Amino acid sequence: DAKTTQPNSMESNEEEPVHLPCNHSTISGTDYIHWYRQLPSQGPEYVIHGLTSNVNNRMASLAIAEDRKSSTLILHRATLRDAAVYYCILRVLYTTSGTYKYIFGTGTRLKVLA
Amino acid sequence: DTEVTQTPKHLVMGMTNKKSLKCEQHMGHRAMYWYKQKAKKPPELMFVYSYEKLSINESVPSRFSPECPNSSLLNLHLHALQPEDSALYLCASSQGDSLNEKLFFGSGTQLSVL
Repeated sequence: DAKTTQPNSMESNEEEPVHLPCNHSTISGTDYIHWYRQLPSQGPEYVIHGLTSNVNNRMASLAIAEDRKSSTLILHRATLRDAAVYYCILRVLYTTSGTYKYIFGTGTRLKVLA
Repeated sequence: DTEVTQTPKHLVMGMTNKKSLKCEQHMGHRAMYWYKQKAKKPPELMFVYSYEKLSINESVPSRFSPECPNSSLLNLHLHALQPEDSALYLCASSQGDSLNEKLFFGSGTQLSVL
């Protein structure tokens, strides 16, 4: 299965942009890149996803490298509520059953400083 | 309704007990997932159901037995568990047939095996 690698932790000052990197060098052409975040005592929450082009939504932006071997989640203005573990995930086709698997990376713990 | 509901929130069981975890969604999603998450680790995929049929079993020990009685319900039956099975068990759902879909997670069941 394709894998993702992320830094263990990052820090940011409040109201500054944050760039969270993810490497996925073994990604296949049909694998979607997803980002989720997990707050303490909660299940993961969807942030954003993409295939090839950069994506924007109200929560964040996703920048995908041209070769798709890496991506960056961008939080434009970090707030204290953005402190969480951010997971870079690949959505991979499980060819035997035609079902998709969501494979989690190790996650980056983001600390936001007031 | 964009919720995935998991019950119970907490469960303590002995190694000889039989218990069940329950997961429910009313979004019309046709794919449902069980993940296991140990403390400070990413979620690990256990099972995927697609259209009420088991599509993926990630070599999970037989003491974990999943069941999908209908398209809205997913159960995980537990029997003869070991202390190392103590973890947060997360349920998720997705549309199941869309390239642009995403996962919706419940808040999880925190399981302790004594």
